[in-house]
Amino acid sequence: AQSVTQPDIHITVSEGASLELRCNYSYGATPYLFWYVQSPGQGLQLLLKYFSGDTLVQGIKGFEAEFKRSQSSFNLRKPSVHWSDAAEYFCAVGAQTGFQKLVFGTGTRLLVSP
Amino acid sequence: DTGVSQNPRHKITKRGQNVTFRCDPISEHNRLYWYRQTLGQGPEFLTYFQNEAQLEKSRLLSDRFSAERPKGSFSTLEIQRTEQGDSAMYLCASSLSSSSTDTQYFGPGTRLTVL
Repeated sequence: AQSVTQPDIHITVSEGASLELRCNYSYGATPYLFWYVQSPGQGLQLLLKYFSGDTLVQGIKGFEAEFKRSQSSFNLRKPSVHWSDAAEYFCAVGAQTGFQKLVFGTGTRLLVSP
Repeated sequence: DTGVSQNPRHKITKRGQNVTFRCDPISEHNRLYWYRQTLGQGPEFLTYFQNEAQLEKSRLLSDRFSAERPKGSFSTLEIQRTEQGDSAMYLCASSLSSSSTDTQYFGPGTRLTVL
C-alpha cells in the first residue's frame, strides 16, 4: 500500500532563509509525486509534480523538489523564503497506472519569522 | 478555465440532519474525486468518478454517504444522519485522464461542522 511520511509537523524559517521540507514515500513501483500547498481554510494548490525524466522538478513560486529513488524521498526546497510562503505543505503519492487515488502525508506547517 | 468550485463553502448542521455538497469540476475534466480532511491531517480519498460512473469507493465512505455525478459534469456528496465525527473539510478535485499526466486540481472545499 502507498504511504507518505512527512516527519516535520512544524518548521519555522526566517524570512530570506532557505527551506527544505522532507517527504518520504512507500510505493511498490515508480510513483507519481506531488507537492501541494494549503493556506488556512483553503483548498490545495499544486506546487509541482514528478512523473518521469529529470529528477529535479521546478514548480511555481520558486519551489523545486528532487526525486531520489534510492532514498524514497521527494524533498521540497526553496532558496529564499518569503512571508507569504507561510502555509501547510502536503506531499502526495499516486499510481502511474489506473486511476490516481492520491495518498497524502500529514503535512508540514511552515511558519516564517521576520 | 475557472477552476474547481464547491458549494457551500461552510455548512453548520445539527446531528442527525442530512447535508448535500456540490462540486463543479474544470469543464473538460472527465475524472472527479472526493476527499475528506480532518484537523491536522492530510486529505483522505473517499470516492472517484470517471464521467458519470463511480469506479472506486473508500472504506471511509459509510452507508450514510452517497455521491453522484449524474451527467458526468457536476457531482454531489450527500451525508445522511450526520454525526459529530463527520465534521471535516470535504475537498473535490478533478483531472483529465486523456492527458499524459493525470494531475488533480482541487477546489476550495466545504467545511462541515456538526453540532
